[in-house]
Amino acid sequence: GENVEQHPSTLSVQEGDSAVIKCTYSDSASNYFPWYKQELGKRPQLIIDIRSNVGEKKDQRIAVTLNKTAKHFSLHITETQPEDSAVYFCAAQSPYNFNKFYFGSGTKLNVKP
Amino acid sequence: NAGVTQTPKFQVLKTGQSMTLQCAQDMNHNSMYWYRQDPGMGLRLIYYSASEGTTDKGEVPNGYNVSRLNKREFSLRLESAAPSQTSVYFCASSETGELFFGEGSRLTVL
Repeated sequence: GENVEQHPSTLSVQEGDSAVIKCTYSDSASNYFPWYKQELGKRPQLIIDIRSNVGEKKDQRIAVTLNKTAKHFSLHITETQPEDSAVYFCAAQSPYNFNKFYFGSGTKLNVKP
Repeated sequence: NAGVTQTPKFQVLKTGQSMTLQCAQDMNHNSMYWYRQDPGMGLRLIYYSASEGTTDKGEVPNGYNVSRLNKREFSLRLESAAPSQTSVYFCASSETGELFFGEGSRLTVL
């Protein structure tokens, strides 16, 4: 199956700085990549996703970029705020079975006020 | 709309005991899932159900069974719990790709 690797495992930034989380995937046929945010003790929730027919997608302070050639995608958060503190998971949907998602191991983001 | 609800939220078991985690969704989604979350390992798929009446194995199905009771409900059963099954379990549902998760069930097996 697909292998998704996520870095870094922890990230600490000052409020107002930018944060970048990177993921790589192994199957070049994969074409849907969602990002989930999980606040402490809460359920994961989708924050942004990207399909392989575009290279970048933005939603206010959050953006995701995709490099199909290199098989990696990244989450960018600008002007970070304390409420951005959470664990972020990247994922890749299997191109052979749409019910299978392969998740990265997570990045714990700490935004210091 | 409650979304995805799962019970219980917390459970402590002894090795060898059995239990069932219940999950229900009110979004009329066809697909439902059970994931487990362990520190440093992200979310791993245990079983899924693409539609009412079907179930399939995910990445880590050993030691678990599931039942898709109807379109709304999808249960996960541990027949003989082992300490390695200590984890947080999430039920999820989906229709078009986005996964909607329940609040999670924290299971400890002693």
